[in-house]
Amino acid sequence: EVQLVESGGGLVKPGGSLRLSCAASGFTFSSYTMNWVRQAPGKGLAWVSSISTLSTHIYYADSVKGRFTISRDNAKNSLYLQMDSLKPEDTAVYYCARTHSQDYWGQGTLVTVSS
Amino acid sequence: SYELTQPPSVSVSPGQTARITCSGDALPKKYAYWYQQKSGQAPVLVIYEGSKRPSGIPERFSGSSSGTMATLTISGAQVEDEADYYCYSTDSSEGLFGGGTKLTVL
Repeated sequence: EVQLVESGGGLVKPGGSLRLSCAASGFTFSSYTMNWVRQAPGKGLAWVSSISTLSTHIYYADSVKGRFTISRDNAKNSLYLQMDSLKPEDTAVYYCARTHSQDYWGQGTLVTVSS
Repeated sequence: SYELTQPPSVSVSPGQTARITCSGDALPKKYAYWYQQKSGQAPVLVIYEGSKRPSGIPERFSGSSSGTMATLTISGAQVEDEADYYCYSTDSSEGLFGGGTKLTVL
């Protein structure tokens, strides 16, 4: 059974940093592109970032470019999102999702940026 | 900038056909994907590559595309289909979601 479990969310002050993790199981993690998608409270889905299988192709939404860094560790079946210079508008539930079609999603982890 | 436009809401009675549209200039060249999100839950993929249905998704869900518009059709909508629906596509290598459509079945 495919499982994606996010962790690392919490309350952080504006300008602060947070590192999200996504633990994958039930499939060959190293064979799939992975994505981060977020959803602000009461709002729609927003694509954040994607990373290819060998980390050779990495893409970011303009809203996070230069502040967020996506990475993965295929040996640990894990996906990461390093979030720096956080802003209140980054407040959202962050989901990891598998492959370009986003066929499986985790349950999400809430990030709240507030003073 | 590239956008995907969906109607904010669609309402049907149980057993009727619901159609949710998604318009975008790149859709003639890029696949559309559709996700269902029920309140408090993670999204679920219901249509991929424009018209393909993942295993476990009921046959009443179908997808189509014509020109700059993609359409999610729910034939014989059920009360349990009430949810937010999002289309998704790509522009170059960046992902983009539509604003979402709230489907009401009552």
